[in-house]
Amino acid sequence: DAGVIQSPRHEVTEMGQEVTLRCKPISGHDYLFWYRQTMMRGLELLIYFNNNVPIDDSGMPEDRFSAKMPNASFSTLKIQPSEPRDSAVYFCASRGRASGDNEQFFGPGTRLTVL
Amino acid sequence: AQSVTQPDIHITVSEGASLELRCNYSYGATPYLFWYVQSPGQGLQLLLKYFSGDTLVQGIKGFEAEFKRSQSSFNLRKPSVHWSDAAEYFCAVVPNTGGFKTIFGAGTRLFVKA
Repeated sequence: DAGVIQSPRHEVTEMGQEVTLRCKPISGHDYLFWYRQTMMRGLELLIYFNNNVPIDDSGMPEDRFSAKMPNASFSTLKIQPSEPRDSAVYFCASRGRASGDNEQFFGPGTRLTVL
Repeated sequence: AQSVTQPDIHITVSEGASLELRCNYSYGATPYLFWYVQSPGQGLQLLLKYFSGDTLVQGIKGFEAEFKRSQSSFNLRKPSVHWSDAAEYFCAVVPNTGGFKTIFGAGTRLFVKA
């Protein structure tokens, strides 16, 4: 298996533009997580899905952020409009239903820079 | 408040020396416990995990961790560090309350000197 796939790996955009980050979880995994990592705040959970349904979005910073999971093999995290303070590395992770110990598998991340 | 604490922001050890990275948590019941490693520009990789049984767990790359309930700790150890171990290490917990929200510590950056 190729593991969790994220695209793009790097994104540079200007303030006010829409940004869409993409994630393909490991096949067969039924949980998907979006995290944000910054120097100031460390690794924060933004939202997670179970069977394509959002379960906890309490970590989403504000209405400019939205996440969707239209099917079991694809999820997006959208920021509209983007701001410089959104600059961070965004990670996607997935977990399988057989993983009774809650292990998550992480993608390589998307480094977002908002100018 | 529930939290995961890694008291050392960074640690420097000599190659071949032993290593211990500290992690403390504050949750009522024993949570699921994890150590992840993040190399520069990479995602997080699981080193080891604990949720029950033997309190000394073995992981990949020669790492081990010991769960101590009385101290609410889950410290990571390695007897002999290699230069390739230089990375950031994260302790993480999933509270044993039925949810799946993982709480990460702030991380400890390990530097290895020749």
